[in-house]
Amino acid sequence: SQTIHQWPATLVQPVGSPLSLECTVEGTSNPNLYWYRQAAGRGLQLLFYSVGIGQISSEVPQNLSASRPQDRQFILSSKKLLLSDSGFYLCAWTRLPNNEQFFGPGTRLTVL
Amino acid sequence: AQSVTQLGSHVSVSEGALVLLRCNYSSSVPPYLFWYVQYPNQGLQLLLKYTSAATLVKGINGFEAEFKKSETSFHLTKPSAHMSDAAEYFCAVTTLSGGYNKLIFGAGTRLAVHP
Repeated sequence: SQTIHQWPATLVQPVGSPLSLECTVEGTSNPNLYWYRQAAGRGLQLLFYSVGIGQISSEVPQNLSASRPQDRQFILSSKKLLLSDSGFYLCAWTRLPNNEQFFGPGTRLTVL
Repeated sequence: AQSVTQLGSHVSVSEGALVLLRCNYSSSVPPYLFWYVQYPNQGLQLLLKYTSAATLVKGINGFEAEFKKSETSFHLTKPSAHMSDAAEYFCAVTTLSGGYNKLIFGAGTRLAVHP
């Protein structure tokens, strides 16, 4: 069976510091991968998606970036965090053909 | 373009009462529709999905939803609420953008269950 991991689970970072969040999927190959953000009390905002190694599409211009160095690894990064980057970050993968998405446990990021 | 509207950001019911969470969608093609549940500080868990088979879809935890094309709706119901149903619920529809399938989520409905 497939599983999806995210780490760290929680993170507190100062403004202006770098960020690296990691997501890995087990038990499947060539998944479509997604990064979402939930701000407090709000819905899900799609940040990035990837259909393969090195293929990244950005949904919202911002100071975040994503990379996919391996088939089942998806990384969310920032060079300098802003207060507005605080939120709950979720990684997901898709099972085709009906586009059902499976979510990881999430990372709670607090920028102070 | 596809979109999803969830009516009511907060719904409160008594334990044992009917749960009804509303979702309307907009899609120019036959949609795939989903309901997800999110407990505090956790990821989203799939409750049920409609993929053009039976219009009444049964999911986990006693939830079900009915696809009504004429009303462009996919409302989520449960006959009898339990305290453990308190969570946030998201409706979603597939969309094709840039040649790739993505999910479009509604804003979510927070369900409170009181004794």
